[in-house]
Amino acid sequence: NAGVTQTPKFRILKIGQSMTLQCTQDMNHNYMYWYRQDPGMGLKLIYYSVGAGITDKGEVPNGYNVSRSTTEDFPLRLELAAPSQTSVYFCASSYRAGDTQYFGPGTRLTVL
Amino acid sequence: DQQVKQNSPSLSVQEGRISILNCDYTNSMFDYFLWYKKYPAEGPTFLISISSIKDKNEDGRFTVFLNKSAKHLSLHIVPSQPGDSAVYFCAARGAGKIIFGKGTRLHILP
Repeated sequence: NAGVTQTPKFRILKIGQSMTLQCTQDMNHNYMYWYRQDPGMGLKLIYYSVGAGITDKGEVPNGYNVSRSTTEDFPLRLELAAPSQTSVYFCASSYRAGDTQYFGPGTRLTVL
Repeated sequence: DQQVKQNSPSLSVQEGRISILNCDYTNSMFDYFLWYKKYPAEGPTFLISISSIKDKNEDGRFTVFLNKSAKHLSLHIVPSQPGDSAVYFCAARGAGKIIFGKGTRLHILP
């Protein structure tokens, strides 16, 4: 039972480069989320999705884009990487809003 | 404006003793509270939760207490074990969204 998987585990980007963080869940959850965790800080919600084709902004959406074409996948796109986006990114899913969320292992991103 | 606050960034407890992690919140509309545990290089995992209509929930060594009048909840771990060393996040649900605190790093000392 894979749960929530994320790729890659680590990535170093140069300023201005683009990349997509992948997230897949196999629990048939409707809700999916992207968080970032900065050192010494809590989890901040970037974007979330309530189902295929439906996404909405969280607390810190600037500099990111998302799409949800299937129930399973919820990729996060960084178009022009900036040092402020250096962080650990977590994807999570839940069956309903406010339900217990299941997290992936995270992607550690460094922008130099 | 932090709606969920964990004021202790870290806590050290002797193995076998009780660990008490605290969390304060500001929004009286929160109806559900959760604790997540996170090991280094892993994602957070759900630990225990409590509904706002209860004041205590127990699961093995873990007990969560909720004091609604004080807008305060706490997680008790008894007895503390080495594997409990981790970061613990308090979270609260309101309007269908979950808001996380900054976390408390728990060190269990041998």
